Amino acid sequence: DAKTTQPPSMDCAEGRAANLPCNHSTISGNEYVYWYRQIHSQGPQYIIHGLKNNETNEMASLIITEDRKSSTLILPHATLRDTAVYYCIVSSAAYKYIFGTGTRLKVLA
Amino acid sequence: DAMVIQNPRYQVTQFGKPVTLSCSQTLNHNVMYWYQQKSSQAPKLLFHYYDKDFNNEADTPDNFQSRRPNTSFCFLDIRSPGLGDAAMYLCATASPQETQYFGPGTRLLVL
Repeated sequence: DAKTTQPPSMDCAEGRAANLPCNHSTISGNEYVYWYRQIHSQGPQYIIHGLKNNETNEMASLIITEDRKSSTLILPHATLRDTAVYYCIVSSAAYKYIFGTGTRLKVLA
Repeated sequence: DAMVIQNPRYQVTQFGKPVTLSCSQTLNHNVMYWYQQKSSQAPKLLFHYYDKDFNNEADTPDNFQSRRPNTSFCFLDIRSPGLGDAAMYLCATASPQETQYFGPGTRLLVL
């Protein structure tokens, strides 16, 4: 499975957009990019996923580069409740998620 | 409504004493997963079931076993827990090529 690389930590001011990058340079054509987040001591929560087009839902936007080697998760107006570890995962039809180390996002008041 | 349920949320066991963690789902998903997550680390896949087919990860210790008696339930058995097995255990479910839904996890403490 493709591996992902994320910065270990980021800070964001409350109310500002949080942009979380992910590199997945070895992604193959049938692999999706998934984003999950994990708030302390809870199970990971699904945020968004995409194959090659940009995606948006009520939680976030996902921007995937044209070569698909990197992506950015955007939380448009970060709140204190968005403080969590964010995981970028690439996965094919093998149904297996291999978690990387994730980015610890801290939203500051 | 809870869709992936894990009981108990906290489990204390003694060194070497077998322990079973349970997971149930109301989503009727074909695939069920067990992950181990140690403090400040990412979740690590232990094994998964696709229907009744069991798929073990190559580096999952033999001490960890699983059972899936029906679509709704899946169990994680730790035959002889060691201190190093203290962790959060996460259950997840999915339909093929769909996203995974995670339960709240069971935190295991080994004394």
